[in-house]
Amino acid sequence: KAGVTQTPRYLIKTRGQQVTLSCSPISGHRSVSWYQQTPGQGLQFLFEYFSETQRNKGNFPGRFSGRQFSNSRSEMNVSTLELGDSALYLCASTEGTGRDADTEAFFGQGTRLTVV
Amino acid sequence: GQQLNQSPQSMFIQEGEDVSMNCTSSSIFNTWLWYKQDPGEGPVLLIALYKAGELTSNGRLTAQFGITRKDSFLNISASIPSDVGIYFCAGRLPGTYKYIFGTGTRLKVLA
Repeated sequence: KAGVTQTPRYLIKTRGQQVTLSCSPISGHRSVSWYQQTPGQGLQFLFEYFSETQRNKGNFPGRFSGRQFSNSRSEMNVSTLELGDSALYLCASTEGTGRDADTEAFFGQGTRLTVV
Repeated sequence: GQQLNQSPQSMFIQEGEDVSMNCTSSSIFNTWLWYKQDPGEGPVLLIALYKAGELTSNGRLTAQFGITRKDSFLNISASIPSDVGIYFCAGRLPGTYKYIFGTGTRLKVLA
């Protein structure tokens, strides 16, 4: 079974630009969550999608948005980039159906975003 | 942002020694997960815990879900050099798929 795939692995953007990151979950998994990882704040939850609907949301500004497609692939968008948005963005895949074992979250390798 | 208290923050140990780390929270969780992260990579799931008091092993790793549902610990026995990395705990908030992560324990093993 293929794991969680995130593209691209690395990105360099300029302040004020926007960026879109992509995540393909494990086959059969319907829940996709996004996390931001920085040295100062650690791993912080951004949002979670299930069946194309946002189910949970973290405490990030509206510049951070996401969506999920019918094949469970997800994209995350950050508009008007700021220097502080530089981070490793991680996507986690979960079966998402509510049973105990279905709550295990498997991570991709992440996208390293650098804003200059 | 929300983070769990994880200790120790870092530790140097000799190869062959046992290691113990823990996470505590003021919130109750329904699931505890333990991850290991290598530089430049995503976290890799090591152990999952679902019930208060549960004790689960995965090779040299043993983890427990605290009976109050507010804490968990991870033990690594007979450490080896490839155990080097950052270990994170994560607690799942009830009724959600939102995980709160610990601050991480950086483990360094001296051969």
